[in-house]
Amino acid sequence: DAGVIQSPRHEVTEMGQEVTLRCKPISGHNSLFWYRQTMMRGLELLIYFNNNVPIDDSGMPEDRFSAKMPNASFSTLKIQPSEPRDSAVYFCASSLRTGGQETQYFGPGTRLLVL
Amino acid sequence: GNSVTQMEGPVTLSEEAFLTINCTYTATGYPSLFWYVQYPGEGLQLLLKATKADDKGSNKGFEATYRKETTSFHLEKGSVQVSDSAVYFCALTGSARQLTFGSGTQLTVLP
Repeated sequence: DAGVIQSPRHEVTEMGQEVTLRCKPISGHNSLFWYRQTMMRGLELLIYFNNNVPIDDSGMPEDRFSAKMPNASFSTLKIQPSEPRDSAVYFCASSLRTGGQETQYFGPGTRLLVL
Repeated sequence: GNSVTQMEGPVTLSEEAFLTINCTYTATGYPSLFWYVQYPGEGLQLLLKATKADDKGSNKGFEATYRKETTSFHLEKGSVQVSDSAVYFCALTGSARQLTFGSGTQLTVLP
């Protein structure tokens, strides 16, 4: 069974450009999470969806960041305009919440560098 | 709020040595506890988990026991291999669904 798929794996862009990160969760999972990993802050949650609906976006750093989940098999995280401080590894994770229990499975990540 | 404190790294061991990475947590209620591993240039892989007190999670020779009385979930392996070199993250989920991670512990195993 395919795991969480993320694209692109690497992205290099210039400050001010729009960046779109993509995620395909594991089939049958009903929750999707976006995390960011940096040396300074470690792993932090940006936003998560349950049944395609955004539930908690309190971790989204600012209005330059937006996330969508138009259907159960696809989500995007967009940064517009991008800034050098957005350079990080962005992970998508998915889970199936049943009986109050869940395990999140992570994709390989997108390594973003903003010059 | 929830928090996870991990043993500071880096940890360097010789092959076949015994490994312990300490992890303690603060959480309300009854969190689920996890260890994830991140190999160089890769994403996080679930290593093991425990969902209630006294549960022992195990996988690939690694073990961790959910100790509610000491709020700990220490990772152990009896004999490490070079291929175990990676960063290990302790994490929990509580009433909030997001994972709260520790800072990670870099493990290097020398042949």
